[in-house]
Amino acid sequence: KNQVEQSPQSLIILEGKNCTLQCNYTVSPFSNLRWYKQDTGRGPVSLTIMTFSENTKSNGRYTATLDADTKQSSLHITASQLSDSASYICVVSVSWGKFQFGAGTQVVVTP
Amino acid sequence: GAVVSQHPSWVICKSGTSVKIECRSLDFQATTMFWYRQFPKQSLMLMATSNEGSKATYEQGVEKDKFLINHASLTLSTLTVTSAHPEDSSFYICSARDSSKYNEQFFGPGTRLTVL
Repeated sequence: KNQVEQSPQSLIILEGKNCTLQCNYTVSPFSNLRWYKQDTGRGPVSLTIMTFSENTKSNGRYTATLDADTKQSSLHITASQLSDSASYICVVSVSWGKFQFGAGTQVVVTP
Repeated sequence: GAVVSQHPSWVICKSGTSVKIECRSLDFQATTMFWYRQFPKQSLMLMATSNEGSKATYEQGVEKDKFLINHASLTLSTLTVTSAHPEDSSFYICSARDSSKYNEQFFGPGTRLTVL
C-alpha cells in the first residue's frame, strides 16, 4: 500500500478558478514534505518544501499547507492558468533521506 | 535551483541492444544521485541510489545486472540498460542530491526510452 495517497486522481478546472489538491501520508519518521509539478515528458520541479514545524508555505500562486498531526497536506492553486496543466506530486521524505512518492494528481486547466 | 541534465532526452533502440543514459549535475557536486522509472500515468519508482565511488544500491525487484549504474565523478552518473526489451520502454528520470542545500533533490528532465 502506498504510504502517500493523493486525491483527486485528476481534475479539470476552468482558467482563472482555484483548486485544492490533497495528500495524506503514513510515512514515518517524517522529515519533510514536498510538492512537485511535473509537466508531461519532463522531470519534476519543486514547488514547496515544508518541515515538521511549518504549517503553510507559498510560492507565487501555489500555497501548500501541512498538518503533521493528522499527516495531511494540501496544495492550493489560485487563479489557475493554462500553464498550470500538469501532474502535481506529493513527496514525503523520511529522516534518513529516502523519498516516498504519491501517484500524483493530474490537473487540466481549460480555457 | 540547481540544474541537473540528462542525455539523451529520448532514444529509440532495437530489442537486445544496450542504451546508456547520462545524468549530470551542472552547478553542484552530488555524492548521491537517484535513478527513477516512470510508466504512463504512474508515479516515479525509485530504481537505485547511485553513490560516487561505490556500488549503487538497488531497490527490491530491480535487476542490477540489467540496469548498470556508474557514478564515477561527483557530477556524473550513468545508467545503462543492457539487452533492452520492449518492456523496458519507459521514462527514466535521475535526480541529484545537493548536500549544500539541505540535501534537496533536483530532478533531471528525463529520458524517454522506446525499445522496438
